[in-house]
Amino acid sequence: DAMVIQNPRYQVTQFGKPVTLSCSQTLNHNVMYWYQQKSSQAPKLLFHYYDKDFNNEADTPDNFQSRRPNTSFCFLDIRSPGLGDAAMYLCATSREGTPLYNEQFFGPGTRLTVL
Amino acid sequence: KNEVEQSPQNLTAQEGEFITINCSYSVGISALHWLQQHPGGGIVSLFMLSSGKKKHGRLIATINIQEKHSSLHITASHPRDSAVYICAVRLWTSGSRLTFGEGTQLTVNP
Repeated sequence: DAMVIQNPRYQVTQFGKPVTLSCSQTLNHNVMYWYQQKSSQAPKLLFHYYDKDFNNEADTPDNFQSRRPNTSFCFLDIRSPGLGDAAMYLCATSREGTPLYNEQFFGPGTRLTVL
Repeated sequence: KNEVEQSPQNLTAQEGEFITINCSYSVGISALHWLQQHPGGGIVSLFMLSSGKKKHGRLIATINIQEKHSSLHITASHPRDSAVYICAVRLWTSGSRLTFGEGTQLTVNP
């Protein structure tokens, strides 16, 4: 089945130790998003790739970076995780640029714990 | 004031009850999404609407563009429907970005 896959599902890292979260999709969607969701809060968009174009949200800390080496894969790099970065990280995809607006399809998320 | 308001914030129902969750928004949108999130889990897209009504199984979503209002209905509710339901909109001014409501926590008791 076509889907959005995130690895790992659970990630534990130490304060200040770089960590990379992975997202892949088999939907061939041209847009990929990274969201941060803290407990009992709505998801917060960090950035998204529209094809190869990177779009950073104005309030996303510099500590968060992203890479999209090809259509299928997108990575979230946290350069120096702080305790406040512990959250669920959600990847989503959509197809844009067609006459009909398309749904965003979400992955299962990666829960990041920072010790 | 949030651009997307959901009500109620929390809802408890008995199994079998008909459930309605409401979403109001204050700006022009191109589409509205209803999303479901189980505890500790990822998000599942239930519906995307730009007009009218959609039905999938026991779930029905409606939208009234003139009134800037949408409802999500669950018929014959079941404990497995217990989850957070999130309304999210695509603003005309924000491209493909979604603006999220705060979510409605639904608990269905057996």
